[in-house]
Amino acid sequence: GAVVSQHPSRVICKSGTSVKIECRSLDFQATTMFWYRQFPKQSLMLMATSNEGSKATYEQGVEKDKFLINHASLTLSTLTVTSAHPEDSSFYICSARGTRMNTEAFFGQGTRLTVV
Amino acid sequence: AQSVTQLGSHVSVSEGALVLLRCNYSSSVPPYLFWYVQYPNQGLQLLLKYTTGATLVKGINGFEAEFKKSETSFHLTKPSAHMSDAAEYFCAVSDLRAAGNKLTFGGGTRVLVKP
Repeated sequence: GAVVSQHPSRVICKSGTSVKIECRSLDFQATTMFWYRQFPKQSLMLMATSNEGSKATYEQGVEKDKFLINHASLTLSTLTVTSAHPEDSSFYICSARGTRMNTEAFFGQGTRLTVV
Repeated sequence: AQSVTQLGSHVSVSEGALVLLRCNYSSSVPPYLFWYVQYPNQGLQLLLKYTTGATLVKGINGFEAEFKKSETSFHLTKPSAHMSDAAEYFCAVSDLRAAGNKLTFGGGTRVLVKP
């Protein structure tokens, strides 16, 4: 299957700082990328959907000014958690879907964010 | 709107025993259904998927699932559990006709395999 690389796998940051998470499709062009958040022992909650070259579509209740998503190329999307607080600590996972793989999205390995 | 319900947040099976994970879905259109496995601190790996055609779907690692429209179910089974099957399993539904064909996940089922 296609490979999606997410970086970093773990990050610890101080309250008030911003953290950027990258999601790259390594061997296919990802026209659509999805960002999920997963709390401990819970399911994945979709945060936003991004299409290359356009603004992301955020799910209800997700603060777009806090979780900045950029999908500037067909192989890279970034999620920036701005002014992070301890309650933002979570596991963030991206997935990517290509134009020819419209029945499956491939997942990155996730990023464990801890805000102290 | 779509939704997924996974019955049982935890399942414990003995090594070599049958694994059965239950998934029921709700969808206003014919669904596309998926099962994913997640190991600790990792992303999701696709086990199998149903889109159209044969309702019994075979996936990786010996897993299979059967789409039953009349029961709105997509239960996952494996005849003989292995220690390496210990993980979290997620059932998901997608509607390709929806914008972005995003996935809606069930709550997950954690599988514990006893030696």
